[in-house]
Amino acid sequence: EIVLTQSPATLSLSPGERATLSCRASQSLSNYLAWYQQKPGQAPRLLIYGASYRATGIPARFSGSGSGTDFTLTISSLEPEDFAVYYCQQRSNWALTFGGGTKVEIK
Amino acid sequence: QLQLQESGSGLVKPSQTLSLTCAVSGGSISSGGYSWSWIRQPPGKGLEWIGNIYHSGSAFYNPSLKGRVTISVDGSQNQFSLKVTSVTAADTAVYYCARDQVGTGFDPWGQGTLVTVSS
Repeated sequence: EIVLTQSPATLSLSPGERATLSCRASQSLSNYLAWYQQKPGQAPRLLIYGASYRATGIPARFSGSGSGTDFTLTISSLEPEDFAVYYCQQRSNWALTFGGGTKVEIK
Repeated sequence: QLQLQESGSGLVKPSQTLSLTCAVSGGSISSGGYSWSWIRQPPGKGLEWIGNIYHSGSAFYNPSLKGRVTISVDGSQNQFSLKVTSVTAADTAVYYCARDQVGTGFDPWGQGTLVTVSS
């Protein structure tokens, strides 16, 4: 099983600040990594696939980077609606796995 | 626009079988290039992929569920289903269905349904 470790567990920031979220894999994923956003009481929403491609309708302030075992989700300037939990997910291996999540909270 | 909707029993007794169905509307479950997944989330915790199925009927399951899971597809009803046998309290979770496009990710998702395992 490929293990994904997300850090930090919680990120406390103010609106307008830049958020940098990390996802590290236990083995190389090439670029087979996706990011999701989940707000309370809602299903997750696909943000990024293929490590760096924005899904349809996702604002340009969201960007993904990385390959191999180290990946980053960056939110360039936090909007009030961006405070949520973010998960990475690998699809390099048929047994799909998610990271434990990073909560971005208002400071 | 494609929509998914979960349905099934919200309360299951320990040792019994959990059964859920995901109805797909706005598109065909038989479309190529996709698989159809079940994902769950225990209260206050993270996401766990349960398994997926292609329209051909080929299915793949999370090894951690140790053979307790079966996913099936019904093209005529445009839906797919999940069964989890011998449930325990650890199976209490919100269960989501989602479309998985090969090479991208899970999109869209159903709204989720809470299943509680309790006597």
